[in-house]
Amino acid sequence: QKEVEQNSGPLSVPEGAIASLNCTYSDRVSQSFFWYRQYSGKSPELIMSIYSNGDKEDGRFTAQLNKASQYVSLLIRDSQPSDSATYLCAVNLPSGSARQLTFGSGTQLTVLP
Amino acid sequence: DGGITQSPKYLFRKEGQNVTLSCEQNLNHDAMYWYRQDPGQGLRLIYYSQIVNDFQKGDIAEGYSVSREKKESFPLTVTSAQKNPTAFYLCASTRGQINEKLFFGSGTQLSVL
Repeated sequence: QKEVEQNSGPLSVPEGAIASLNCTYSDRVSQSFFWYRQYSGKSPELIMSIYSNGDKEDGRFTAQLNKASQYVSLLIRDSQPSDSATYLCAVNLPSGSARQLTFGSGTQLTVLP
Repeated sequence: DGGITQSPKYLFRKEGQNVTLSCEQNLNHDAMYWYRQDPGQGLRLIYYSQIVNDFQKGDIAEGYSVSREKKESFPLTVTSAQKNPTAFYLCASTRGQINEKLFFGSGTQLSVL
């Protein structure tokens, strides 16, 4: 089982719809969770971080965290063609004696005009 | 403006050759990281450094080497022992706190001739 697993893509939604991206992780004591957006050939950019159970909203983006279920999701409301990108989930997981950010393989989102 | 500078943007390696990717930051960050990204995949950690003159292996360190002689600089050498080096390489940094987000450079695309 992968340490950070994202729902398989690619995902296509029509413009104006809600896009739902999901991520599960293996470590019960993880405390920091991030969603990055990456356009093709570019570096990832942070769009949301969440540390507590519940919802966190920022504009059209909502991150949802459920630590008991080891599940974090990202909702994009009123999806736009400019939201078409790969979305990476990242979780702080144990690595040796430290904790490091571990990334999922990403979900490619296409928003159709 | 503060940020992370990676160079070159594109790099080509011949068989049996070592190549070095540059990463410089002026954010006064203590921790620096190197990630590798293959097409359609997430980021995998190669090496990281939390202080000058100290660094640790990540998940895929074989065939790579690093140095951290200055706080601002964390170069990555892809050695001839890395048999499949073609990938997108990303350098990142943080102040070193456990829940911090990563700041990324713009990346280097390495290809084999």
